[in-house]
Amino acid sequence: AAGVIQSPRHLIKEKRETATLKCYPIPRHDTVYWYQQGPGQDPQFLISFYEKMQSDKGSIPDRFSAQQFSDYHSELNMSSLELGDSALYFCASSQGVATSYEQYFGPGTRLTVT
Amino acid sequence: AQTVTQSQPEMSVQEAETVTLSCTYDTSESNYYLFWYKQPPSRQMILVIRQEAYKQQNATENRFSVNFQKAAKSFSLKISDSQLGDTAMYFCAFVLDSNYQLIWGAGTKLIIKP
Repeated sequence: AAGVIQSPRHLIKEKRETATLKCYPIPRHDTVYWYQQGPGQDPQFLISFYEKMQSDKGSIPDRFSAQQFSDYHSELNMSSLELGDSALYFCASSQGVATSYEQYFGPGTRLTVT
Repeated sequence: AQTVTQSQPEMSVQEAETVTLSCTYDTSESNYYLFWYKQPPSRQMILVIRQEAYKQQNATENRFSVNFQKAAKSFSLKISDSQLGDTAMYFCAFVLDSNYQLIWGAGTKLIIKP
């Protein structure tokens, strides 16, 4: 079965640089979520999109922005990177209420800021 | 505020034993969905089992079952006939019917010993 695809899988950036993470949801999933997971921590919700509109916003810094495109893929744009942004970034997708909000996660993008 | 508490930071059992991971949560809402996710060393986040709060019957998925006590706001996970591949971090989480973001517990590190 098709899963959530994230690219790149690993990314190394320097402080103050920008990064773009991409997420391709499972086919027919209309909702995308972004999470940030630091070492030894639980995932922190950043933002979600339903049918290309922002549906919920969590602890996303103002330096980050995201959008969902017409083909339902989503991109997380991160600017002015800081050392503390080093983390595993998960994208998840779901069919919203149709499947009781079951969220299926991609493999994550490991971002290292040096 | 919505919170999830996993009181066991780490547990270890022998292979083939049964283990129960505890989870309590707090919300004033009545409609929500509960989940257990597994995160093995690969750090892939895998959905293990889900429970709709309006259902009294406990969910089961093969060797995994839950004990859902809505009045007590308790949602424990039982793993029967544990296997080495069950070694992972286990996160309890829930999502309200009114929004999209998963609220996570801090996780329980489960180690299955041969």
